[in-house]
Amino acid sequence: DAGVIQSPRHEVTEMGQEVTLRCKPISGHDYLFWYRQTMMRGLELLIYFNNNVPIDDSGMPEDRFSAKMPNASFSTLKIQPSEPRDSAVYFCASSLARAKGYTFGSGTRLTVV
Amino acid sequence: DAKTTQPNSMESNEEEPVHLPCNHSTISGTDYIHWYRQLPSQGPEYVIHGLTSNVNNRMASLAIAEDRKSSTLILHRATLRDAAVYYCILRPGPLSGGYQKVTFGIGTKLQVIP
Repeated sequence: DAGVIQSPRHEVTEMGQEVTLRCKPISGHDYLFWYRQTMMRGLELLIYFNNNVPIDDSGMPEDRFSAKMPNASFSTLKIQPSEPRDSAVYFCASSLARAKGYTFGSGTRLTVV
Repeated sequence: DAKTTQPNSMESNEEEPVHLPCNHSTISGTDYIHWYRQLPSQGPEYVIHGLTSNVNNRMASLAIAEDRKSSTLILHRATLRDAAVYYCILRPGPLSGGYQKVTFGIGTKLQVIP
């Protein structure tokens, strides 16, 4: 298995532009999580899905952030419009069942200038 | 979501054992204790998890206090490749009703001295 695949690895964009981050979870995993990592706040949960359904999006910082999971093999995290304070590393993770470990992707480093 | 408390940083000499502590005094009966580590420029990697009993795998050992309010990740012989940030989290188990909001926080940065 190729693991959790995220794209792009790096994204540099100008303030105000739309940014879309992509994630392909491990086949068969029924949970998918989006995390954001910054030096000050560490790894924060933004949103998670169970069987493609969004369960808790209380970690999404503002309405500028949205996430979708149209099928079991693909999810997107969109920021529109982007702001410099959104600069961070965004991780996607998937899990087979609640008691099992998470598998993280390599992350997308987002820089908004 | 249940919280954990870890030291911000620790040091260890190479080839010596390392004991990384974690406090989780508000743990519920259905929470599993998970440990992850994050190497520079990589995503977190699963290390080990347990519920009540101590656990061993090829990477590490997990010692869980009898009251479950604390745990310790044990690396038996630290190598330079073990230098990473280690996270202790509580993950609701199958009997928790499905709630899965887990934040990893800052973790413990482990420095291994040659």
